[in-house]
Amino acid sequence: AQSVTQPDIHITVSEGASLELRCNYSYGATPYLFWYVQSPGQGLQLLLKYFSGDTLVQGIKGFEAEFKRSQSSFNLRKPSVHWSDAAEYFCAVVGGLTGGGNKLTFGTGTQLKVEL
Amino acid sequence: EPEVTQTPSHQVTQMGQEVILRCVPISNHLYFYWYRQILGQKVEFLVSFYNNEISEKSEIFDDQFSVERPDGSNFTLKIRSTKLEDSAMYFCASSERGQNEKLFFGSGTQLSVL
Repeated sequence: AQSVTQPDIHITVSEGASLELRCNYSYGATPYLFWYVQSPGQGLQLLLKYFSGDTLVQGIKGFEAEFKRSQSSFNLRKPSVHWSDAAEYFCAVVGGLTGGGNKLTFGTGTQLKVEL
Repeated sequence: EPEVTQTPSHQVTQMGQEVILRCVPISNHLYFYWYRQILGQKVEFLVSFYNNEISEKSEIFDDQFSVERPDGSNFTLKIRSTKLEDSAMYFCASSERGQNEKLFFGSGTQLSVL
């Protein structure tokens, strides 16, 4: 069965600093990978996704992620963090489909705190 | 951007009571989902729904749970007899198409079972 690991539960960075959130997946076939962000009181918003092709994908809000098959990783990056980026970030993989639709398997999430 | 809306945002209920969580998916979407997140744990898939029937469900989605699309706009999750361990944030989501499509999530309903 597919699984997603986010090894960092909490990360604190200073505003303007670079950010990398780690995600490792386990999936037997080519994975379809997502990063979602959850701000307080909000739903899950899709930042970016990887299906195939270019392994470096660009998302909204200046985020990017790189798919590395050899490392089974899909790390999220941002060159300069803004205070409004403080939120919880979830990595997810699609898998286990039997009846169509999207069954997402989520990681445990990384809580990002931004210091001013 | 279109939104999935969920009501209520918070629901408090007594153990053993029935609750209905409501969702209005995006109007042209065809696939509907419920996920939940117990405090401190992962977001977990509960069920997916397409063409007026359940297309897939997880082990969590036992006989106490049911989903319904009673009209053309609402999508509901019913828990017949709530247990303490049902306390969680419940997210509704929808997608325009099926496999590997972008899911749009609602802001969730926080269910507290006392």
